[in-house]
Amino acid sequence: EPEVTQTPSHQVTQMGQEVILRCVPISNHLYFYWYRQILGQKVEFLVSFYNNEISEKSEIFDDQFSVERPDGSNFTLKIRSTKLEDSAMYFCASSPISTGLYEQYFGPGTRLTVT
Amino acid sequence: AQSVAQPEDQVNVAEGNPLTVKCTYSVSGNPYLFWYVQYPNRGLQFLLKYITGDNLVKGSYGFEAEFNKSQTSFHLKKPSALVSDSALYFCAVRFYSGGYQKVTFGTGTKLQVIP
Repeated sequence: EPEVTQTPSHQVTQMGQEVILRCVPISNHLYFYWYRQILGQKVEFLVSFYNNEISEKSEIFDDQFSVERPDGSNFTLKIRSTKLEDSAMYFCASSPISTGLYEQYFGPGTRLTVT
Repeated sequence: AQSVAQPEDQVNVAEGNPLTVKCTYSVSGNPYLFWYVQYPNRGLQFLLKYITGDNLVKGSYGFEAEFNKSQTSFHLKKPSALVSDSALYFCAVRFYSGGYQKVTFGTGTKLQVIP
């Protein structure tokens, strides 16, 4: 069964550094998403991406964040000038285009630790 | 505001007994409701969804959920719990706002099945 993959599984970075989290969505999916889950808290929507542009973003997704689909397979989340509070699990998800009746398939997540 | 609530942080149930994990929602219009499960160090895994039609929906691993419009609830159920069902369960609601799809997750309920 196809699945969403994410690399790395764990990223440690120093405060102020930039990180890029990588995701490979399921190959025939056209909608892509990033979520985060701070330890012990609920999953929070960050951004959705379709047709090479952001289709929706939450208030969390400020200028510190950016997303990109640099080629036909990867979908990246860049966090500039990381802060301690950016430490969280970051989940990528993808879904096929349909008439709206679809579910999102999630990757295993990248644990980001900012020290 | 659109929201979903999981009133129980943890549910304990003996193996072989029926289980219920509660979810209530507050969404204007017709909601799309989902249940996801998260095993330790794994990403969210889709269990089931309600879009329209029969109020009782069946999903993976023997789980089912009942949509109750009058009570605005979407409780997850299983007739006979297994130890391997122990995990974190998230209810989610997807809705359209301003032409875009948004999703909100509940805070999660930890299910502990006791042998």
